[in-house]
Amino acid sequence: TQLLEQSPQFLSIQEGENLTVYCNSSSVFSSLQWYRQEPGEGPVLLVTVVTGGEVKKLKRLTFQFGDARKDSSLHITAAQPGDTGLYLCAGVGRTNAGKSTFGDGTTLTVKP
Amino acid sequence: GAGVSQTPSNKVTEKGKYVELRCDPISGHTALYWYRQSLGQGPEFLIYFQGTGAADDSGLPNDRFFAVRPEGSVSTLKIQRTERGDSAVYLCASSLLAGVGEQYFGPGTRLTVT
Repeated sequence: TQLLEQSPQFLSIQEGENLTVYCNSSSVFSSLQWYRQEPGEGPVLLVTVVTGGEVKKLKRLTFQFGDARKDSSLHITAAQPGDTGLYLCAGVGRTNAGKSTFGDGTTLTVKP
Repeated sequence: GAGVSQTPSNKVTEKGKYVELRCDPISGHTALYWYRQSLGQGPEFLIYFQGTGAADDSGLPNDRFFAVRPEGSVSTLKIQRTERGDSAVYLCASSLLAGVGEQYFGPGTRLTVT
């Protein structure tokens, strides 16, 4: 069974602060995705990382895939209240591209 | 354009009853996925379809759970003899092809078994 562990589970910060959340596994994935989910809605894809060591930037969000393709991080610069939400990572297995394994997420609260 | 829609948005049922949850994917998407999300947890994979066939149903917890997609579009998740432990949000997603491109999620159906 491929498991993804996300940390921290909860994070509460002030507007303007920087933060990093982590997604770790003992398994290798063909790709890893980050989603954001708001209450009462389904997750929305933010980014997909595929290559070990890959770094992708989406405005104030920076995503990194570990060299061994087992872990990933999401860094947010100058967090804003609109960044509040549940951040989920999901790994796609090497042998079954249709099956995604999700972590339990990091709940981020950005206070104005 | 229209996104993934799920009906009903909320369903309350008594223990032991049968329920059906419906998912309307984005038009033209051949892959459809079902997940279950319990409070404080991430989505848990249940099953995915490529076209009409279930390509992987390894996430279905037991034989009380069944899903169909007879015409390769709308899908129904069926739960027999519901148990309180089945209470969760059931999410549906679709993508152009299985494992290709972004999965677009619906808002989910919140199932409560009393």
